[in-house]
Amino acid sequence: KAGVTQTPRYLIKTRGQQVTLSCSPISGHRSVSWYQQTPGQGLQFLFEYFSETQRNKGNFPGRFSGRQFSNSRSEMNVSTLELGDSALYLCASSSEQGRSEKLFFGSGTQLSVL
Amino acid sequence: SQQGEEDPQALSIQEGENATMNCSYKTSINNLQWYRQNSGRGLVHLILIRSNEREKHSGRLRVTLDTSKKSSSLLITASRAADTASYFCATVRYGNNRLAFGKGNQVVVIP
Repeated sequence: KAGVTQTPRYLIKTRGQQVTLSCSPISGHRSVSWYQQTPGQGLQFLFEYFSETQRNKGNFPGRFSGRQFSNSRSEMNVSTLELGDSALYLCASSSEQGRSEKLFFGSGTQLSVL
Repeated sequence: SQQGEEDPQALSIQEGENATMNCSYKTSINNLQWYRQNSGRGLVHLILIRSNEREKHSGRLRVTLDTSKKSSSLLITASRAADTASYFCATVRYGNNRLAFGKGNQVVVIP
């Protein structure tokens, strides 16, 4: 079974631009969560999607948004990028929503905002 | 908000030695999980311990949970160079689906 796939692996953007990151969960997994990881703040929860619906949201500004498609693939978008958005963005999938069992993580997208 | 807090934050040991990391949290939890991360890659799930469990083993890993002290420990026995990584604890509260991760422990195993 293929693991969680995130694309692209690296991304360089400038302030004010927008970016879209993609995540393909493990086949059969319907829950996708997104996390932001920075050296200063550690791992912070962005949001979780299950069956195309956002079920949970972290404390991030509205510039951060996401969606999930019928095939469970998910995208997250960050608009009007700021320098502080530079981070490793991790996507994780699990088989069931609402039980917070084992998460399977992708390798992440390293975003650098210049 | 971040809930887990590991201690110590950096650990350097010789291959074959044991490594112990601690994690404390603030609120009641449903379960606590430990993950490993290698060099800025994705996290790998190691072990999950539920709030009604006190100890769990998986291979060379041993996790304990003390809900009265709101703390957990991860022990890696007979460490190997391949165990060099960052280790994170993550807690799940009742009624809240998200995992709250700690800051992580960096472990370096010297061959």
